[in-house]
Amino acid sequence: EDQVTQSPEALRLQEGESSSLNCSYTVSGLRGLFWYRQDPGKGPEFLFTLYSAGEEKEKERLKATLTKKESFLHITAPKPEDSATYLCAVQAVNTDKLIFGTGTRLQVFP
Amino acid sequence: GAVVSQHPSWVICKSGTSVKIECRSLDFQATTMFWYRQFPKQSLMLMATSNEGSKATYEQGVEKDKFLINHASLTLSTLTVTSAHPEDSSFYICSARKGNEKLFFGSGTQLSVL
Repeated sequence: EDQVTQSPEALRLQEGESSSLNCSYTVSGLRGLFWYRQDPGKGPEFLFTLYSAGEEKEKERLKATLTKKESFLHITAPKPEDSATYLCAVQAVNTDKLIFGTGTRLQVFP
Repeated sequence: GAVVSQHPSWVICKSGTSVKIECRSLDFQATTMFWYRQFPKQSLMLMATSNEGSKATYEQGVEKDKFLINHASLTLSTLTVTSAHPEDSSFYICSARKGNEKLFFGSGTQLSVL
């Protein structure tokens, strides 16, 4: 069964304190791994898609990496506006569906 | 990025009434749209996959007669919660696929059934 597990559930950081969020997955053939940001009461906002082990993508203070079993979302020198829930999702081959993890709630304090 | 519009943003209704939620892809055609449900502090759970011009495919455990999905055009899908009850209160989110690319999500609809 395809499954996504994210850790930690919640993370509190001081502004400027870098950290990483983990997304472990099991899937019957990976078509893509996705990272989304979700603010309270809003729909998810797309951040990255990763397709193969070893791939990395960056956007401002965020960097996503992928191995055969997990993905990391690295946050460098976070700011309070980075506070949100970060969702990881996987898509298996031959399917349109995304399987989501439960997310990591990130709070960055000034 | 592409824009997916979802309306209403929130709705309060009485138990036993029906509620319709609209999902529109504003600047692209979406042959496939998805409907998710999200409870507080939980992840998105896929309810159904909606394909333009055909019947929706529902996930296991989702009542198709209760959650009616219509995908009448390449830019519009609707979810109707029929005979809503308090346990149907949740955050409903739609998404649309642009070609073979990533999914774009609507802003969600918070449904509260009294």
